[in-house]
Amino acid sequence: IVMTQSPGTLSVSPGERATLSCRASQSVGSNLAWYQHKPGQPPRLLVYRASTRATGISTRFSGSGSGTEFTLTISSLQSEDFAVYYCQHYNGWPPYTLGQGTKLEMK
Amino acid sequence: EMQLVESGGGLVQPGGSLRLSCSASGFTFSGSAMHWVRQAPGRGLEHVSAITYDGTTTYYAESLKGRFTVSRDNFKSTVYLQMTSLRPDDTAVYFCVKDLWTYSSSFGVFHSWGQGTLVTVSS
Repeated sequence: IVMTQSPGTLSVSPGERATLSCRASQSVGSNLAWYQHKPGQPPRLLVYRASTRATGISTRFSGSGSGTEFTLTISSLQSEDFAVYYCQHYNGWPPYTLGQGTKLEMK
Repeated sequence: EMQLVESGGGLVQPGGSLRLSCSASGFTFSGSAMHWVRQAPGRGLEHVSAITYDGTTTYYAESLKGRFTVSRDNFKSTVYLQMTSLRPDDTAVYFCVKDLWTYSSSFGVFHSWGQGTLVTVSS
C-alpha cells in the first residue's frame, strides 16, 4: 500500500487552520495514524483509528476520513505545531508504510 | 515513566554487521508488540521490522531481503535488531517503538518512541 501525502510543504500563519491530506493506494479502512516529527526529537503519535486523538494531544488536532482519503486538521496553529507530519496505515500485516511527510512551516 | 533507550549504533563498513538493542522500562514490556522504524538522512520514516509481544511472529520490510533479524528477551525487557550485510543505504537513525496496544490482536500503531540510535555505513 502506497501512502501519498499532500501538499509536500504547507505555509500557514499562526492562528490559522492547516489541512493536511493523506491518500492510500487501496482501502485501509480506519487503520490510519498521524504523527508529528520535530528535528532532533522522536516522532509523536497524534491520532489513530483515523480520528481518535492519542492521550495528551490537544483538541486542536483532529483526524477524519476512511477508506483511502484522510485528513488531519490543525486549528488555530501555534508556534509549536510547525513540524513534519506523517500518516501511516496499519491495515493487515506489517510492515506498514508511511507517507513521505508534509512539512508545515510558518508563513 | 515509560522509557525506551536504544544502543549499539555507530560506524560500520559496508558488508559489516551491527546489533541494536532497546531497553524498555515503565510499562508491561512482555505484553507489548515492538517495532523498529528508521529515518535515513533527509528522508522520511520507514517501518523496518515488528515483533509480537510473545516473540513468536516477526515481520520485515521487503527492502531488507533477509539481512535483518528482530528478537526480544521479555525477562530483560529488551528488543534487538541484528543487522548484517549492511549497505550505505542502511545509514539512518533507528528508532525503537512500542505498539499502542497490550496483549491485543490489534497491532501497528507506533505509540512511544525512543530517541533513536544512528547507524552509519561507510568505508
